[in-house]
Amino acid sequence: GQQLNQSPQSMFIQEGEDVSMNCTSSSIFNTWLWYKQDPGEGPVLLIALYKAGELTSNGRLTAQFGITRKDSFLNISASIPSDVGIYFCAGPLIQGAQKLVFGQGTRLTINP
Amino acid sequence: KAGVTQTPRYLIKTRGQQVTLSCSPISGHRSVSWYQQTPGQGLQFLFEYFSETQRNKGNFPGRFSGRQFSNSRSEMNVSTLELGDSALYLCASSEISGLLGYGYTFGSGTRLTVV
Repeated sequence: GQQLNQSPQSMFIQEGEDVSMNCTSSSIFNTWLWYKQDPGEGPVLLIALYKAGELTSNGRLTAQFGITRKDSFLNISASIPSDVGIYFCAGPLIQGAQKLVFGQGTRLTINP
Repeated sequence: KAGVTQTPRYLIKTRGQQVTLSCSPISGHRSVSWYQQTPGQGLQFLFEYFSETQRNKGNFPGRFSGRQFSNSRSEMNVSTLELGDSALYLCASSEISGLLGYGYTFGSGTRLTVV
């Protein structure tokens, strides 16, 4: 089952507002990934974080790798209509089957 | 460079039938992973293939199987379909196996509906 707890599950905001979402785990991860999925498409990688405490930006997106290595945050500044979609956090699980585990996603809806 | 191509995009099958889905990775990528996405369970890992060998397997029943060809294209097969198999099936490619920390490139998925 899911090992990453992502919140909030959904957000309804006005265009231009800032957005924050986070992801927590009971396990330590050495890498945190943030993906965005548009309707009818596969997830697209937005930001990858490799070091505890790391803060990385990609345009209006900023993500942080928590110091405890058990959490990560994604912020979107000055939201625009094309930011609508589902945002997923993910981390690599290397015990047992090597795979990515994903959070349940945050569905972002923007009112123009 | 072409992305990851999954075919078909949509499928409707009847319970008890079997289905085969196809994935062509990005040129030069040798690892293909498959995920099932449902509203209830989210994204769940099915299996990974690299150089025609299954490298990793998730916790799915034996009805779910896959293979990879010498050109790195991969297929997954689901036999004896159940209603609960209705999902978006995503494949993702990467250059080599084990590059989980760098993320994958996902295809657009195949939407399977079992009726």
